[in-house]
Amino acid sequence: QQQVKQSPQSLIVQKGGISIINCAYENTAFDYFPWYQQFPGKGPALLIAIRPDVSEKKEGRFTISFNKSAKQFSLHIMDSQPGDSATYFCAASRAHSNYQLIWGAGTKLIIKP
Amino acid sequence: KAGVTQTPRYLIKTRGQQVTLSCSPISGHRSVSWYQQTPGQGLQFLFEYFSETQRNKGNFPGRFSGRQFSNSRSEMNVSTLELGDSALYLCASSSTNGANTEAFFGQGTRLTVV
Repeated sequence: QQQVKQSPQSLIVQKGGISIINCAYENTAFDYFPWYQQFPGKGPALLIAIRPDVSEKKEGRFTISFNKSAKQFSLHIMDSQPGDSATYFCAASRAHSNYQLIWGAGTKLIIKP
Repeated sequence: KAGVTQTPRYLIKTRGQQVTLSCSPISGHRSVSWYQQTPGQGLQFLFEYFSETQRNKGNFPGRFSGRQFSNSRSEMNVSTLELGDSALYLCASSSTNGANTEAFFGQGTRLTVV
């Protein structure tokens, strides 16, 4: 019940294309869903986050879509650029539970020029 | 504003030894969390400290311990090191003790156990 399942494990997208990464969770108590971006040799950095009271959140080229009934959420990267090549992690946590993120396994994204 | 600082960046230890990792959170942040990152297991939560108190603990053996000081700096200790403890250890700080606040990560300490 604590798992967050992320797919695909790796993804290759042409420059200018749309990158889509999916996550599914089981614990309905989760109510905070962030996406992190990690470059080699660096710690993860928050990209965008969503709460279940909205179905979509957009920040620049990055959009989270959230489906509460299906317990799924996804990251869309529009107009993907080579600089977006990184590993992306979805995560989930419960509010007011003392900070504990449950992480997806990560997606290695490669944007081909 | 300085980010989260973890020291050292790299460590090589022998099986059976112990190790202490340090984390200095962003100024004003009182919550510090620790995570272990490995290729096989991904990111796994170790523990979280707020105002010098351990508020939450992940599913790791008692060899893994930590503490937080009054200035919010935190240390993590691993005793009796095993080969499987080789990993990137990440520290994250946030401004409150609740969820739904952004966690800022340091660059991590790469621990290699030989």
